[in-house]
Amino acid sequence: AQTVTQSQPEMSVQEAETVTLSCTYDTSESDYYLFWYKQPPSRQMILVIRQEAYKQQNATENRFSVNFQKAAKSFSLKISDSQLGDAAMYFCAYSIRSNFGNEKLTFGTGTRLTIIP
Amino acid sequence: AAGVIQSPRHLIKEKRETATLKCYPIPRHDTVYWYQQGPGQDPQFLISFYEKMQSDKGSIPDRFSAQQFSDYHSELNMSSLELGDSALYFCASSGDRLDGYTFGSGTRLTVV
Repeated sequence: AQTVTQSQPEMSVQEAETVTLSCTYDTSESDYYLFWYKQPPSRQMILVIRQEAYKQQNATENRFSVNFQKAAKSFSLKISDSQLGDAAMYFCAYSIRSNFGNEKLTFGTGTRLTIIP
Repeated sequence: AAGVIQSPRHLIKEKRETATLKCYPIPRHDTVYWYQQGPGQDPQFLISFYEKMQSDKGSIPDRFSAQQFSDYHSELNMSSLELGDSALYFCASSGDRLDGYTFGSGTRLTVV
């Protein structure tokens, strides 16, 4: 079965500090995409960053970057200079092409990030 | 830019009633997905449509059905509602694979 594991149910970080959220996944596919989504208290699901599995270079979006280790099937998210607005539930997810030809997104169980002022 | 529109935002139904949730994807996106997120849970995939045809099915109860119409909007129909159906229901759409998924704001269904 394809699975996504986030081993840290909760994390906290001091404002302006750096925090890393862990994610591992298990798939037999070689062609897939990885994502981090953020879900603030508003419950809106917001895309933070994405990574193509065939790319070795780690994706970066402003203060957000990933450490993608394909052999280890690890996809961690680093948030630099944490801000109060970063407080949210963070979901790791991956997408593979289903038998029907379209994508299927599978989520991890989430990590709740608290920012300490 | 246009986003994924879901309606209604909130819905309260009694047990055994029927509910219909609507989703309007981003224009030119050809795939629509439905997810169910229970309290404190991660989103669970229900069903997807590609070019108006059902393309994949997840853990969707037989009491639920969905379809995608000619204008690409999708509806999720839920019958014989149970208390356990209370959840946030997300719709997402995608076009190009690299773009990932754009989620709507969700419909919060409460069954009483």
